[in-house]
Amino acid sequence: KAGVTQTPRYLIKTRGQQVTLSCSPISGHRSVSWYQQTPGQGLQFLFEYFSETQRNKGNFPGRFSGRQFSNSRSEMNVSTLELGDSALYLCASSLGISRRGTGELFFGEGSRLTVL
Amino acid sequence: AQTVTQSQPEMSVQEAETVTLSCTYDTSESNYYLFWYKQPPSRQMILVIRQEAYKQQNATENRFSVNFQKAAKSFSLKISDSQLGDTAMYFCAFLLNSGGSNYKLTFGKGTLLTVNP
Repeated sequence: KAGVTQTPRYLIKTRGQQVTLSCSPISGHRSVSWYQQTPGQGLQFLFEYFSETQRNKGNFPGRFSGRQFSNSRSEMNVSTLELGDSALYLCASSLGISRRGTGELFFGEGSRLTVL
Repeated sequence: AQTVTQSQPEMSVQEAETVTLSCTYDTSESNYYLFWYKQPPSRQMILVIRQEAYKQQNATENRFSVNFQKAAKSFSLKISDSQLGDTAMYFCAFLLNSGGSNYKLTFGKGTLLTVNP
């Protein structure tokens, strides 16, 4: 079974630009979450989608947005990039908490964004 | 809101020895899950072990075991017979069980564990 796939793996942008990151979850997983990882702040929750609906959103400015498609693939977008947006962006998929799910998140390798 | 605290930013252990990583959390809820995730250098994060709050028995997975103290809100990870491949950042995480509608993990800042040969 293929794991969580994130593209691109690395990218460099300049301040003011915008970026779109993509995530393909494990087949059958309908929940997709995004996390930002930085050395100073650690892992911070961005948002979570389930069946194309955003169920939760973290404490990030409106420049951070996302969406989920009918095939469960997800994208996140960051507009008007700032230096502080440099981070590893992790996507994770899950079966959630249910008879089928154990609550476990399965992570991708991440997209490392550098803003110059 | 829930918080997770890992008080040991870095630890080291000799190969084959035992090490314990600490984690405390704060919540007013009673139904939740706790996890330990491992992130090796430049590799993806994977689940090490999980614990359901309603279970009194401590979870174990091969060389990994936890000491779950619900009243003290403590969730430590013990790694026995440490191996070089255990070198990684370890994150403690909390998930509130609200019937699946509030699926958000809260992570600690992590503990960088180095296993020395």
